[in-house]
Amino acid sequence: AQSVAQPEDQVNVAEGNPLTVKCTYSVSGNPYLFWYVQYPNRGLQFLLKYITGDNLVKGSYGFEAEFNKSQTSFHLKKPSALVSDSALYFCAVREDSNYQLIWGAGTKLIIKP
Amino acid sequence: GAGVSQSPSNKVTEKGKDVELRCDPISGHTALYWYRQSLGQGLEFLIYFQGNSAPDKSGLPSDRFSAERTGGSVSTLTIQRTQQEDSAVYLCASSLVKLAGGQQETQYFGPGTRLLVL
Repeated sequence: AQSVAQPEDQVNVAEGNPLTVKCTYSVSGNPYLFWYVQYPNRGLQFLLKYITGDNLVKGSYGFEAEFNKSQTSFHLKKPSALVSDSALYFCAVREDSNYQLIWGAGTKLIIKP
Repeated sequence: GAGVSQSPSNKVTEKGKDVELRCDPISGHTALYWYRQSLGQGLEFLIYFQGNSAPDKSGLPSDRFSAERTGGSVSTLTIQRTQQEDSAVYLCASSLVKLAGGQQETQYFGPGTRLLVL
C-alpha cells in the first residue's frame, strides 16, 4: 500500500537559516513525488515534483527537494528561510501506475524574524 | 490562463439542508478531483473524474455525498442532509491527463469552499 509520512507536525526556523521539511514514502512501483504549499485561507499551490531524472529538483520560491531512493525520502529544503515562507507544507506521492495521490498530514513551517 | 475556480468561497448552512459546491477546472484539463480538508488536517480524497465519468468514488464518506461532471468541464459536489461533521474546506483540483509523466499530470488546486454546518 502507498503511504506518505511527514514526521514533524511543526518546524521552527529563524529567518535566514536553512530549512528542511521531511517526507518519507512507501510505494510498490516507481514513485512520483510532489510538494505543495498552503498559505492561510488559500488553496494548495504546487511547488515542485520528482518524476524521473536528476535527484535534486528545483521548484518555486527558491525551494528544492532531493529524491533519495535508498532512504525513500523526498525532503524539502531552502538555503535561506524567509518569514513569508511560513505556511503549511504537504508532501504527496503516487505510483507510476496509479492516478491517485496519497497525501501526508502536512507540516506547519514557522519562520521567525 | 485562468486557474481552477470554486464557488461559493464560503457556505454556512443549517443541519439537514442540502448544499451544492461548484468547481470550474482549468480549460482543457480532463481529470478532476475533489478533496476534503478538515481544520488543520491533511487532504482526504473524495472522488476522481476522467472526462465525465467517475471511475473512483471510493472516497465519498457516505451516500449523502454525490458528484457529477457535465461536458467534461464543470463539476458539482452535492451533500444532502448536511451534518455538522461535514464542516470542512472542500478543495477541487484538475490535471491535464490521467496518467503521464511530466507537467501534464500535476494537479492544480482551486481556492476551496469553506463549509460550515450549524
